[in-house]
Amino acid sequence: GAVVSQHPSRVICKSGTSVKIECRSLDFQATTMFWYRQFPKQSLMLMATSNEGSKATYEQGVEKDKFLINHASLTLSTLTVTSAHPEDSSFYICSARVSSGGREAFFGQGTRLTVV
Amino acid sequence: GNSVTQMEGPVTLSEEAFLTINCTYTATGYPSLFWYVQYPGEGLQLLLKATKADDKGSNKGFEATYRKETTSFHLEKGSVQVSDSAVYFCALSLSGSARQLTFGSGTQLTVLP
Repeated sequence: GAVVSQHPSRVICKSGTSVKIECRSLDFQATTMFWYRQFPKQSLMLMATSNEGSKATYEQGVEKDKFLINHASLTLSTLTVTSAHPEDSSFYICSARVSSGGREAFFGQGTRLTVV
Repeated sequence: GNSVTQMEGPVTLSEEAFLTINCTYTATGYPSLFWYVQYPGEGLQLLLKATKADDKGSNKGFEATYRKETTSFHLEKGSVQVSDSAVYFCALSLSGSARQLTFGSGTQLTVLP
């Protein structure tokens, strides 16, 4: 089956620094990738839809300048949390759909971000 | 708006016990419904899905039936195994393409030998 690799799986950073999270589709091309955020004991919330070669579409309430998304190729999307603060600590997870069609979304293993 | 309410965990069962994880939804329209499973250290995997009322999704001994009258999609398995220990997420999509999913909060299942 299709594999999505997310890196890193865990990261601890200091307040004010930036953190980049990568999401790669290993054996398929993904025109569209999705970034989710999950707080403890809460649902996964869609943050943004990442489109290859164009700007990401952000959900209401998600700061574009805070969460920078780049989708420069059909196999890689990155999420950069800029000037991180403790309230940004969360579980971030990406998913991707196969460009050639199909309805299933494939998920990365998630990234646990802790800002101290 | 759209939402998914999922049975709170954690759930701990003995091997071969019967499993039910409740899931109800609220949606404007006719959603497709999904169960995803996340094993430790891995990504979410689609476990099963149903795209219309009365459909039954099944996989690996798990089943869930799309009940429009009760807006539910409860996950069941007759005899759980230790290897079923994972987090289970109920989700819906109005597009029917798993493009944009609304998730429940997840239920941690631990099966003891």
